Amino acid sequence: GDSVTQMEGPVTLSEEAFLTINCTYTATGYPSLFWYVQYPGEGLQLLLKATKADDKGSNKGFEATYRKETTSFHLEKGSVQVSDSAVYFCALIYNQGGKLIFGQGTELSVKP
Amino acid sequence: GAVVSQHPSRVICKSGTSVKIECRSLDFQATTMFWYRQFPKQSLMLMATSNEGSKATYEQGVEKDKFLINHASLTLSTLTVTSAHPEDSSFYICSARVVGGSNSPLHFGNGTRLTVT
Repeated sequence: GDSVTQMEGPVTLSEEAFLTINCTYTATGYPSLFWYVQYPGEGLQLLLKATKADDKGSNKGFEATYRKETTSFHLEKGSVQVSDSAVYFCALIYNQGGKLIFGQGTELSVKP
Repeated sequence: GAVVSQHPSRVICKSGTSVKIECRSLDFQATTMFWYRQFPKQSLMLMATSNEGSKATYEQGVEKDKFLINHASLTLSTLTVTSAHPEDSSFYICSARVVGGSNSPLHFGNGTRLTVT
């Protein structure tokens, strides 16, 4: 079945460091791909999305490119801030009822 | 933007009692809402899909008689945890999709922290 795999956390970085969180997926066909962010004690917020191959989603300095050939959707940011500390979830939706399938989440901790 | 409101944000109840959690789409209509459960340091597990005007569809392993879902209008879905036990303590999150196709993103509420004593 469809699935999403993320790199394990926690990821600890210093402020202004470069961030990459790897995400790969398994799906039949062409799913839409998303990154969600969850701050402590809160629900999820949509960070960015891409709906077809080679699309690049971007928001708040974060970017991810839909790579069909490697079935990946890695999240990147050039310079992280302490306020970026959160748990990041990669997810996909495929047409089977529109269910959102999540990866296991990657905790990011940014130190000043 | 699309806002999903969830209430209450926190609830503590005694074992054996029932708790109702509300999920509202504030500025859009949602024919479908989804209920997730999240354990500490873990990902979100889809519990059920709530369809306006019809019965909810539950994921495998989720007890439909324990987790009652009602989607009575296009802006409101409720999850009732019946006869709650300490193992039901968890973070419950609802989500809704803006009408626009099954591949449009979900918008999430802020979650409800349920503690059963």
